[in-house]
Amino acid sequence: EVQLVESGGGLVQPGGSLRLSCAASGFTFSSYEMNWVRQAPGKGLEWVSYISSSGSTIYYADSVKGRFTISRDNAKNSLYLQMNSLRAEDTAVYYCARVLGLLPNWFDPWGQGTLVTVSS
Amino acid sequence: QSVLTQPPSVSGAPGQRVTISCTGSSSNIGAGYDVHWYQQLPGTAPKLLIYGNSNRPSGVPDRFSGSKSGTSASLAITGLQAEDEADYYCQSYDSSLSAHAVFGGGTQLTVL
Repeated sequence: EVQLVESGGGLVQPGGSLRLSCAASGFTFSSYEMNWVRQAPGKGLEWVSYISSSGSTIYYADSVKGRFTISRDNAKNSLYLQMNSLRAEDTAVYYCARVLGLLPNWFDPWGQGTLVTVSS
Repeated sequence: QSVLTQPPSVSGAPGQRVTISCTGSSSNIGAGYDVHWYQQLPGTAPKLLIYGNSNRPSGVPDRFSGSKSGTSASLAITGLQAEDEADYYCQSYDSSLSAHAVFGGGTQLTVL
């Protein structure tokens, strides 16, 4: 079964840092591009970041550029999101999702999500 | 403000047909970019419902269908069931933005 499991969320103060992880199983992780998508409480979906299968190509949403870093370890079947200089508006459930198809890619499956709360 | 506009809410009685629109512009849907749809049941992660405008992944009932025309796309649900009550999101790409993907604001479907 194809599965993605996020971890690493929690409560952090404004200006703080957090590292999210996404463990993949059931498919050849190294062959797939991956994304992070977030959802603020009671709000819609917002694309956050993309990474190619090799990690050589990376994109970020303007709202997180310069503060977040996406990376992957294909040997560990894992995707990461390093989040620095966190702001209240970064409070959201963060989902990792496998990328399929050509641009515009679609996302399937999604992990269960991990909640990040930025508050003092 | 999403670049893809969806109605905030739609509703229908069991057995009825409902449609959810996703309106874009000449830099996204109108430019020929495909539209994908996701279903998010309460308290759960989004799930792929339709990809490439009208294709259903394995396991998605044929009660769900998608279409695209001009600068808009639509998701139709026939034979509405109570378990269809969820939020629905469209997704595409916009060439005028630096984002790798853009989502609609989401539509909450209520089964009366």
